[in-house]
Amino acid sequence: TQLLEQSPQFLSIQEGENLTVYCNSSSVFSSLQWYRQEPGEGPVLLVTVVTGGEVKKLKRLTFQFGDARKDSSLHITAAQPGDTGLYLCAGARYGQNFVFGPGTRLSVLP
Amino acid sequence: GAVVSQHPSWVICKSGTSVKIECRSLDFQATTMFWYRQFPKQSLMLMATSNEGSKATYEQGVEKDKFLINHASLTLSTLTVTSAHPEDSSFYICSARDGVAGADTQYFGPGTRLTVL
Repeated sequence: TQLLEQSPQFLSIQEGENLTVYCNSSSVFSSLQWYRQEPGEGPVLLVTVVTGGEVKKLKRLTFQFGDARKDSSLHITAAQPGDTGLYLCAGARYGQNFVFGPGTRLSVLP
Repeated sequence: GAVVSQHPSWVICKSGTSVKIECRSLDFQATTMFWYRQFPKQSLMLMATSNEGSKATYEQGVEKDKFLINHASLTLSTLTVTSAHPEDSSFYICSARDGVAGADTQYFGPGTRLTVL
């Protein structure tokens, strides 16, 4: 069983739409990260959240860490084709390495 | 941000040969490096964790005699896939943890695509 679940698995939307992807677990994490990966490349870190309830913004991307530090969401406003990619969340329990979720594959159509 | 390089970026080899992949941290010292494998349309699966100067720690199900990891310096780790077979074909990605920046800061390399014929 996956330590981290992500939903949806796949998402195809039109340019300009908003979307939210979710990362859920039954475990409590000391920190959680979101990455974006494009085909044939390594993941690129978008954000790290460590405090329950924390909200971070990165331009059109808003990240939230759940109050209980078991889940997180990524909201994209006015999606653009350049946002297309695989979005991965990764969680670490205290003193342990990060574990990756299965990813959400986003396609933004022009 | 910090830069991690991998070499080669892609390799095609015959079944039974060994392939070495290098992972370098270019502008920081990496006390810990991680090796991941990613199959098409799947997430990253951690294979092993290597600390400079010590033996790598392998995840359950990963054969240490098949995937040899050497972390001889603070800027270089190598993964050797020995006696490669077609089922070893995958995208191999390394990441390096910046010992100064903090335990949560790891930077990923661009990946190496291995195809075993």
